[in-house]
Amino acid sequence: KQEVTQIPAALSVPEGENLVLNCSFTDSAIYNLQWFRQDPGKGLTSLLLIQSSQREQTSGRLNASLDKSSGRSTLYIAASQPGDSATYLCAVPSGGGADGLTFGKGTHLIIQP
Amino acid sequence: DTEVTQTPKHLVMGMTNKKSLKCEQHMGHRAMYWYKQKAKKPPELMFVYSYEKLSINESVPSRFSPECPNSSLLNLHLHALQPEDSALYLCASSHIAGGPGELFFGEGSRLTVL
Repeated sequence: KQEVTQIPAALSVPEGENLVLNCSFTDSAIYNLQWFRQDPGKGLTSLLLIQSSQREQTSGRLNASLDKSSGRSTLYIAASQPGDSATYLCAVPSGGGADGLTFGKGTHLIIQP
Repeated sequence: DTEVTQTPKHLVMGMTNKKSLKCEQHMGHRAMYWYKQKAKKPPELMFVYSYEKLSINESVPSRFSPECPNSSLLNLHLHALQPEDSALYLCASSHIAGGPGELFFGEGSRLTVL
């Protein structure tokens, strides 16, 4: 059974810092990996999808990397802003086809103005 | 248009009520999902519909009854719920193309059971 772990569970940094969120998964036979953002009481916003054949994916100030063989992914946020404050979730497919995602518990990020 | 629309946004119901949550997407996705999320926890998969057929039921109690009337709509019928069923219910959709595609989530329906 796939298990996803995210470190750290919480992070509070001053505005402007670059930061790294970590995600690890136990079964490396994944099809892709997805990073989400969730604001309090809201739904999940897809940030980046990395296919298993890719090493990294970029969107604006966000860069996600994937090392499938070691079962790890990182989300790099450059020049953090207070608006980046949210919970960041990493997820991998539970199986093939349309089997849904297995989520990590998330990293709760606070960017101090 | 990458949007999944859920209604209602908030629902309060008694344990004897019957209500429904609705989800709609117009992205042509053929997989749709219901997730349940408790406070400060990650989403947990409840049901998966693939090509309008129920493909996964994660041992969810029968007081939750999913329905997929067509490829764009997904409902979750609620009956005789318990207070511990209070949670954020999230709908998602994705393409199916050999493997799982990117999942897009709605804003969720916040359910409170009294």
